[in-house]
Amino acid sequence: AQKITQTQPGMFVQEKEAVTLDCTYDTSDQSYGLFWYKQPSSGEMIFLIYQGSYDEQNATEGRYSLNFQKARKSANLVISASQLGDSAMYFCAMREVYMEYGNKLVFGAGTILRVKS
Amino acid sequence: DGGITQSPKYLFRKEGQNVTLSCEQNLNHDAMYWYRQDPGQGLRLIYYSQIVNDFQKGDIAEGYSVSREKKESFPLTVTSAQKNPTAFYLCASSIGTGSNTGELFFGEGSRLTVL
Repeated sequence: AQKITQTQPGMFVQEKEAVTLDCTYDTSDQSYGLFWYKQPSSGEMIFLIYQGSYDEQNATEGRYSLNFQKARKSANLVISASQLGDSAMYFCAMREVYMEYGNKLVFGAGTILRVKS
Repeated sequence: DGGITQSPKYLFRKEGQNVTLSCEQNLNHDAMYWYRQDPGQGLRLIYYSQIVNDFQKGDIAEGYSVSREKKESFPLTVTSAQKNPTAFYLCASSIGTGSNTGELFFGEGSRLTVL
């Protein structure tokens, strides 16, 4: 079974600095997808960024980038120029099964990020 | 605006009572999901449905039931058989074919507390 490991329960970062949130995964599949979600205190899950296993370039979305190292099975999220509004829980997830309609995702335990002013 | 609506946002129930959590989406998505979130454990899949009138068990389906009679709706019933029902429940949906990434779109969640 596929597994996602996020080893950092909590992280602090100074406002305007960059921060890296770690994510490692375990799968025997050759084709898979990796996701990062943000969960503010309100509880909603916000999709941030996606990386496909065959994508040659690291994914980027604004201040978010994904440092994808396939051989090491890691997919770290990098947030540049941190803002106070980035304080939230962050989840790494992997597409577990390809289905005809939709996708099953398996999630890591999450990392709480706190941005200090 | 398109999105996923979960209700109620907060729910208190006595032990032994069944409760039903509502999830409605107007995104015209084929697939819908229910996840449970406990502190320190991330999200775990309860049930999912790829199309109307079809659904499958996820990793922790025991004590839960669902139905998918309409494309827009995927209610979750937490039965008295669920031994530890107090948790945060998240409903999600995703487009079927035609999506490059297949990301899930989530509702704002329902927090169930069993007294």
